[in-house]
Amino acid sequence: EVQLVESGGGLVQPGGSLRLSCAASGFTVSRNYMTWVRQAPGKGLEWVSVIYSGGSTYYADSVKGRFTISRHNSKNTLYLQMNSLRAEDTAVYYCARDAHRCSGGSCYYDGMDVWGQGTTVTVSS
Amino acid sequence: EIVLTQSPGTLSLSPGERATLSCTASQSVSSSYLAWYQQKPGQAPRLLIYGASSRATGIPDRFSGSGSGTDFTLTISRLEPEDFAVYYCQQYGSSPMYTFGQGTKLEIK
Repeated sequence: EVQLVESGGGLVQPGGSLRLSCAASGFTVSRNYMTWVRQAPGKGLEWVSVIYSGGSTYYADSVKGRFTISRHNSKNTLYLQMNSLRAEDTAVYYCARDAHRCSGGSCYYDGMDVWGQGTTVTVSS
Repeated sequence: EIVLTQSPGTLSLSPGERATLSCTASQSVSSSYLAWYQQKPGQAPRLLIYGASSRATGIPDRFSGSGSGTDFTLTISRLEPEDFAVYYCQQYGSSPMYTFGQGTKLEIK
């Protein structure tokens, strides 16, 4: 079964750090684009970061320089290291598989097709 | 920066009715890179539509997507009780790399 399970959320003080994990089963993390998306309480979805299968990483401006996305291939796990946390980082954090395919010289985006259940991060003193 | 604006913010309909949700981009978006998601309270989002009009695996055929350029539509032909949720459009590819609309809440009238 294709599945993502996040862990690592919790309560942290402003300025603190937290590392989120996202364990995958049923597919290989390193062969896929993998993203983190967050949702503040009562708000909409906000993209946070992506790691491409080739290893390139990209971040939303709101977290650039503070968050780092990475993966551990042998553990088939995605991570999000979050430093210098702020109150506005409080949210449910979801990891998702980001499906891309290329065929005949063209590339297509097939959406974020597998999601974890989310882990809650609360930044508060 | 591409901004996706969804309308209406809230849509009140009855089971059996047809729902039409709109997503308007601030600049042209490749239809290949436009997706729709459904989210129910306390749950993760679920992919409904990718490539503007292709249904994801397991999605009933009452859900359909259309549009191009700056205007995209998600249509639910006959609403079932389980369809009442929040719906998001999302684009990939332009700075920022991924953008979500603010969502449309579909509620029971």
